[in-house]
Amino acid sequence: GQQLNQSPQSMFIQEGEDVSMNCTSSSIFNTWLWYKQDPGEGPVLLIALYKAGELTSNGRLTAQFGITRKDSFLNISASIPSDVGIYFCAGPQGGSEKLVFGKGTKLTVNP
Amino acid sequence: DTGVSQNPRHKITKRGQNVTFRCDPISEHNRLYWYRQTLGQGPEFLTYFQNEAQLEKSRLLSDRFSAERPKGSFSTLEIQRTEQGDSAMYLCASSYGVWASVADTQYFGPGTRLTVL
Repeated sequence: GQQLNQSPQSMFIQEGEDVSMNCTSSSIFNTWLWYKQDPGEGPVLLIALYKAGELTSNGRLTAQFGITRKDSFLNISASIPSDVGIYFCAGPQGGSEKLVFGKGTKLTVNP
Repeated sequence: DTGVSQNPRHKITKRGQNVTFRCDPISEHNRLYWYRQTLGQGPEFLTYFQNEAQLEKSRLLSDRFSAERPKGSFSTLEIQRTEQGDSAMYLCASSYGVWASVADTQYFGPGTRLTVL
């Protein structure tokens, strides 16, 4: 089935730094979703992308839907301690309703 | 709108016991999904309902697993004869969908953490 590859697996940054992470697939996706998950909680939707080339912001977060439809990027500007968590990309598998997720990027922010 | 809720939040059971989890979706959402997440992995799809109809089941869902959504509102996921390999976080998500085979934005609950001893 379709797989999503996220990189990097983990990041250790200083508060105030900008962060960039990406997600790639060997298959085309029509929707890209970015979620954040805190320990012991469910994923929380950050940004949804529906169109190739689309650039969408949510506060300090900006995500882009790659032109090839096979990748997406998430940027976080001026990181703060509460940005700590695991960030997942996800997309609908085979054009269906079910989502396939990457393995996540674990972000640590040092104050 | 209180979001997706799941109960219990944590469950510890002995191998061989049956367990049941409940999910209450966002009230106007007609689609409900179950996912399983193990440590270090992203959520993996288990099954999906549109209203009360169970439309798809993953190969991950063995015959010890059964899910229901009897009135198209809340859903239950039952695991019979639990095994240690069933230990995971079980996540429920819901969405509002109109078109067939079109993914909608899914909103997740907090999950039920199952530990099988």
